[in-house]
Amino acid sequence: GAVVSQHPSRVICKSGTSVKIECRSLDFQATTMFWYRQFPKQSLMLMATSNEGSKATYEQGVEKDKFLINHASLTLSTLTVTSAHPEDSSFYICSARILAGGFEQYFGPGTRLTVT
Amino acid sequence: RKEVEQDPGPFNVPEGATVAFNCTYSNSASQSFFWYRQDCRKEPKLLMSVYSSGNEDGRFTAQLNRASQYISLLIRDSKLSDSATYLCVVNHAGGTSYGKLTFGQGTILTVHP
Repeated sequence: GAVVSQHPSRVICKSGTSVKIECRSLDFQATTMFWYRQFPKQSLMLMATSNEGSKATYEQGVEKDKFLINHASLTLSTLTVTSAHPEDSSFYICSARILAGGFEQYFGPGTRLTVT
Repeated sequence: RKEVEQDPGPFNVPEGATVAFNCTYSNSASQSFFWYRQDCRKEPKLLMSVYSSGNEDGRFTAQLNRASQYISLLIRDSKLSDSATYLCVVNHAGGTSYGKLTFGQGTILTVHP
């Protein structure tokens, strides 16, 4: 149980283009999903918290107009990196909390973004 | 001071060894505590939750000391497959941080034959 999928697993895009990453909870409903970014040899950094049916809450320093988050249902959240730049190249990971569950989060397999 | 601090290691131990990881957290109001493991270039996976009474899952034992704001993970009879980065993770207590997890920088474990 508690499986989270993420698509795509790897993407290479050109500078200035936009990339959409999908995060799905496959066998449970998630009130809240989270988006993280991880640079090499660093820990996960929370970018934003996504609640179904409401606007995402962004962490300090994360541009909401650049990282668009949509949480349309209890099983799907999307992150769109707009006008990507090489410095946006990173490992993006989503996670989900089970509706009426504890505080543990279950992570998707991550998306490795490379912007050329 | 970092919110969650871990010894980054690396720890290099032979198979069968017992190894212990420590973690401290700064927010005394933190409510929930976890150990995750992360393999290279993979996502974190929940290893176990940590309870005040201490809890054990097979070869893994986790302890929480709220007074000292200290969490530990003990791995007995290490296997090669235990090689990974172990993340100490703390849940924020409330307010705008409700539900958020804060990750330590991770402790790298390498188990060798």
